[in-house]
Amino acid sequence: GENVEQHPSTLSVQEGDSAVIKCTYSDSASNYFPWYKQELGKRPQLIIDIRSNVGEKKDQRIAVTLNKTAKHFSLHITETQPEDSAVYFCAARPFGSTDKLIFGTGTRLQVFP
Amino acid sequence: DAGVTQSPTHLIKTRGQQVTLRCSPKSGHDTVSWYQQALGQGPQFIFQYYEEEERQRGNFPDRFSGHQFPNYSSELNVNALLLGDSALYLCASSLKVGPGNTIYFGEGSWLTVV
Repeated sequence: GENVEQHPSTLSVQEGDSAVIKCTYSDSASNYFPWYKQELGKRPQLIIDIRSNVGEKKDQRIAVTLNKTAKHFSLHITETQPEDSAVYFCAARPFGSTDKLIFGTGTRLQVFP
Repeated sequence: DAGVTQSPTHLIKTRGQQVTLRCSPKSGHDTVSWYQQALGQGPQFIFQYYEEEERQRGNFPDRFSGHQFPNYSSELNVNALLLGDSALYLCASSLKVGPGNTIYFGEGSWLTVV
């Protein structure tokens, strides 16, 4: 069945360091991979996404890479700041689906000043 | 530009009761999906509505049902509530036809079943 694995479950970094979160998906036909940031008690907010025809995408301090052969994708945050502290979820959209996303289990990122 | 709006924000129900949650999609969007997010977990897809019909369904029992209205707004109904239905219920919207299909989430409705 469709499954997304996410690692690590918790990640603590010093302010200014980089953070990397990795996800693996099972459905090779998945074609869209968004990343969401969720602060305590708030909605998941889209921070970056990548489509299956692209290998890498950057937006300021955030980047996502996709390896379709290995079926994994990663989130990279550089120059981390305390306000980056939140739970981050990766997701994969199965081929043929519009709104169905399969989410990972989340990574709690803590950035210490 | 209004984002995805949901109501109510919080509610408490008793086991066996029924609940209705409401969602208005982001302006210009025509597709609505519902997700259940239990504490400490990622959101789980419940179902998707487009053109007032259920188009896709996740692994949820028939106690979960929905509706989409001509103005694209949607309702999620849960019958015979169980303690395990306590969760954050998220509505998401997108534009089915067009580039991107970026999915936007509402703030959610926190349901507690006691």
